[in-house]
Parts: sequence; C-alpha cells; structure tokens
Amino acid sequence: TQLLEQSPQFLSIQEGENLTVYCNSSSVFSSLQWYRQEPGEGPVLLVTVVTGGEVKKLKRLTFQFGDARKDSSLHITAAQPGDTGLYLCAGILSGAGGTSYGKLTFGQGTILTVHP
Amino acid sequence: GAVVSQHPSRVICKSGTSVKIECRSLDFQATTMFWYRQFPKQSLMLMATSNEGSKATYEQGVEKDKFLINHASLTLSTLTVTSAHPEDSSFYICSAALQNIQYFGAGTRLSVL
Repeated sequence: TQLLEQSPQFLSIQEGENLTVYCNSSSVFSSLQWYRQEPGEGPVLLVTVVTGGEVKKLKRLTFQFGDARKDSSLHITAAQPGDTGLYLCAGILSGAGGTSYGKLTFGQGTILTVHP
Repeated sequence: GAVVSQHPSRVICKSGTSVKIECRSLDFQATTMFWYRQFPKQSLMLMATSNEGSKATYEQGVEKDKFLINHASLTLSTLTVTSAHPEDSSFYICSAALQNIQYFGAGTRLSVL
C-alpha cells in the first residue's frame, strides 16, 4: 500500500498548457516537500510546505498544502519544455520519531514531458 | 547553501568487487544522512538511514552486510556495495538532513559487469 499516492504518473503536454500534479494520503504530514529531478541527477528541492492550507508560489509553479495536511498539489501555468522532468512529492509523517525521525515518505513520482 | 556532494558520479566495476560511494555535506553538518536506490523512471527507494557515530538503520529487505554504511563524521557518510553483482547495478542517491529538509547529492550510476 502506497502511503503517499501521487498522480498522474505520466503527463505529456504541449508548451503553454497548464497542469496539476496531486499527492494524497490518509496520513497527516508535518511537512511536505516537492522535488524536481532530471535524468542522471539528484532531486532538487523546489519548496517545503508546513502549514495546513499554505500556498506557495515559485514563478509559474503554485504549491498547495491541504488544510488537514494530508494532501498537496503542484500546479504549473503555461508549461515550458524546460519544465520537463520527474516531479516528486515527499513528506515527513506527523509524529514520526525514533528511527523514523526525518524519514521522507515519497510519492511514486510524475514524469512530465512538455513538447515544444 | 545546503550543498551535498556525492562521488563518484559513475562507476563501472567487475562482478565480485566492492565499490565505495561517498556523500559529503559541504556547508553544513548532518547528523543524519540517507541512502536511496532508484530504478529508471521510478521514485526513490530508501535503503538506510545513516546516523553519525552509530549504526545505520536499514529498511526491510536491504542486506546490511551487502550495503555497508559508515557515518564517521558530521559531513561524511559512505556506502560500500560489497561483492557487487549485475543485479546491484542501479542509481544510488544520498541525502543529508538539515532542519528536517533533505538535500540530495547528484547520484552515482553503478554498473556491474
């Protein structure tokens, strides 16, 4: 059972289109991070959200954390070919401690391809 | 800030040999580092949590004698793949935790012939 469900897993769109990636869980997260990864490289942190209902914007990217801190979304406006990559949501479960302290729970990832 | 360096970026080795991968936090101290494995077009799979000065905590199904982890200082963790076999070929990524946020290295592509 996947603790953090990310969808869609594949997204192929034309330049200029908008898109939304979702991460959903039945568990509460103390924080949630979004990463972008290009082939052959490590994930790069885009944003961290910690407060329920929080919205953060990074140029054309808008990140939202659900009120109950169980879900999050990433919306990209007017996608460009440079946005192509693997997008990963990952969160720290609320109350995680001991050997689980700081451990990230990852979604399955979304492979985004933006065609010129 | 929060730069994590991973070395080597790519390694090719013969079956039966051991390979060491280094993960360094360059501008901060990390008591906790993590090691992941990633298959093509898939998400990251946590292998183990590396704690400075103590034994690593391995995830279920990960052989600790196969994947040796050492975290001898606050800026360096190493992963040694012992007696590597072709099925160990993969992309290995480390991360270092700073204020509960993980910063990732660039990964190591291991190819075992």
